[in-house]
Formats: sequence, C-alpha cells, structure tokens
Amino acid sequence: AQSVTQPDIHITVSEGASLELRCNYSYGATPYLFWYVQSPGQGLQLLLKYFSGDTLVQGIKGFEAEFKRSQSSFNLRKPSVHWSDAAEYFCAVGARGSQGNLIFGKGTKLSVKP
Amino acid sequence: EPEVTQTPSHQVTQMGQEVILRCVPISNHLYFYWYRQILGQKVEFLVSFYNNEISEKSEIFDDQFSVERPDGSNFTLKIRSTKLEDSAMYFCASSLGGPGDTQYFGPGTRLTVL
Repeated sequence: AQSVTQPDIHITVSEGASLELRCNYSYGATPYLFWYVQSPGQGLQLLLKYFSGDTLVQGIKGFEAEFKRSQSSFNLRKPSVHWSDAAEYFCAVGARGSQGNLIFGKGTKLSVKP
Repeated sequence: EPEVTQTPSHQVTQMGQEVILRCVPISNHLYFYWYRQILGQKVEFLVSFYNNEISEKSEIFDDQFSVERPDGSNFTLKIRSTKLEDSAMYFCASSLGGPGDTQYFGPGTRLTVL
C-alpha cells in the first residue's frame, strides 16, 4: 500500500535561514508528488508538484523540491525563510492509475523565529 | 482567482443526526473529491466523483456516507447517522483533469458531533 512519511512533526527555523522539509514515500512505481501548505483556518494550497521530467521542481513562494527516485524522497526546500512561511506543510502522493485520490503525510508544522 | 468554497464553516450536530456538507467546486472543473482530517491526524481521502458517479472511495466511505452533485454547481457530502468519530475537518477539492492534475481545496467544514 502507498504511504507517505514526514519524519519531522515540528520544525523551528530563524527568519532568513534555509529550510528543508523531508518527505519519503512508499509506492511501487513513480507516483505523482505534491507539497501543500495549510495556514491556520485555511484550506490546503498547492506549493508544487512533480509529474514527470525534471526532478527539480520549482513552486510558488520561492519553494522547490527534488524528486530522488533512489531514496523515494521528495524533500521541500527554501533558501531563505520568511515569517509568513509559518504554517503546516503536507507532502502527498498520487498513484498513477488511481482516480486521483491523494495520500497525505501527517504534516510538518513550521515555526519561524524572528 | 477562482476558488472552492464550502459551507458551513462549522457544523455542530447530535450523534445520530444527518448532516449535509456543501461545496461549490471551481466552475469548469470535472473531478471532485472529499477528504477529512481528524484533529491531530493526517488528511484522509474519502471519495472521488467524476461524470456524475463515484469513481473511487476509501474504506472510510461506508454506507452512511453519500455524495451528490444535485445541480451544476454544488457537490455535497451527506452523513446519514453521525457518530462521535465523524468529528473532523472535511475538505472538498476539485480538479480540471484527473490523476496528477492539481486539486484545489476548499477551506473546510469543521464537523463536531456531540
């Protein structure tokens, strides 16, 4: 069965510091991969996705993620974090051949120190 | 920018009562989804809907759940006889294309079953 692991429940970084949020997945083939962000009281907003092709994906708000097939990972990065990035981040996997349902990780809550 | 809307934002009900959660997907989208997030847990897929029928459903989506697109704009989730464990945030999502396409999420309805 497919699964998504986000090993870090809560991360705190200083404003201006770099960020990496980890995501590992379990799936027999190459899945579709997504990162969503959820601010308090808000819905889930797509940051970026990997469908095929270039394994380094650029997203909104200066985020990027790299698909590494050998490590079954899709880590999210940002070179310089802003206070407004404080939110919860979810990695999700979509199985090719499914009807589109997404399997989510448990999320990583990001706090930003001034 | 078009967005998915959901009503109500918060629904409180007594155990055993029926509830209907409403969603208005983005107008030209063809695929519709319901997910739920129990407090402190991951977002879980419930059901996907395409061409006026369910295309996939999870084990959670048992006989007490149903979905409907009663007109050209609304997409509803009905829970016939609510249980305490149905308390959760319910998210509606829609996409233009199927698997792999970006799913746009609504802000969610918080359901509290007393």
